[in-house]
Amino acid sequence: GAGVSQSPSNKVTEKGKDVELRCDPISGHTALYWYRQSLGQGLEFLIYFQGNSAPDKSGLPSDRFSAERTGGSVSTLTIQRTQQEDSAVYLCASSLVGNSLNSPLHFGNGTRLTVT
Amino acid sequence: AQKITQTQPGMFVQEKEAVTLDCTYDTSDPSYGLFWYKQPSSGEMIFLIYQGSYDQQNATEGRYSLNFQKARKSANLVISASQLGDSAMYFCAMRVYNFNKFYFGSGTKLNVKP
Repeated sequence: GAGVSQSPSNKVTEKGKDVELRCDPISGHTALYWYRQSLGQGLEFLIYFQGNSAPDKSGLPSDRFSAERTGGSVSTLTIQRTQQEDSAVYLCASSLVGNSLNSPLHFGNGTRLTVT
Repeated sequence: AQKITQTQPGMFVQEKEAVTLDCTYDTSDPSYGLFWYKQPSSGEMIFLIYQGSYDQQNATEGRYSLNFQKARKSANLVISASQLGDSAMYFCAMRVYNFNKFYFGSGTKLNVKP
C-alpha cells in the first residue's frame, strides 16, 4: 500500500517568506508526527496529532511554526517569516494507535527546506 | 520524564564482524515499546526491530537482534555479519503507553569498513 507522502521534496525560499509543508499519512493511521532533522543531527520533535485530541505542540520552536491536520488525515506544517536556522529536513511520520505498542512509526521521505 | 540515550556518536566495524549499538532508556511507565531505525545517507527512515517491555525473549529480525536488559534499562542493537550496506545512522526510539508518543535518541553513525 501507499506509504507516507510528503511534498514538496525540496523547497528553497527566501528569508522572511512563509512556507507550507504537506504530509499525507498512511490511510487509517490516527497518529501523525512532525520532526525536524538538521544536517547530521538527530530528530527534533515538533508536534504530534492523535485522532481528535488536542495536538501536542510542545516541540514547536517558536510561534512562527504551526500545524494543522484536517479531517484526521492530511497535515500541513506552516513556517512563517522563515529564518536561515529553519533550514533542515522536515520529516512526517504516522502510526497506528491503540492498545498495541508495537506499531512502528512510518516515515515519509521528508521535505528539505533551504532558507537563503 | 521519558528519555532515550545513545552514547556512541560514531562507530566503525569491519565487514563481516558483529557490532553492538548502545541504547539506554528512562521511563517510569511499565508499558513501553522500544524500536530501532536505520537512516542511510539517502535519508529515509527504515524500521528495523521492535521489543516490548513485557516480551520475555529478545527480539530478532534476520541479522538484527535486540539485547534487552530490562533491569538495566538498556536495549542494544546487535548487527551480525556486518555488510557495507549497513553503513548508516541508527536511532533508538521508545513509545510509552500512557503518553503514546515516540522519543528518539541522538543516533549512532555506523561505518562498515571493507
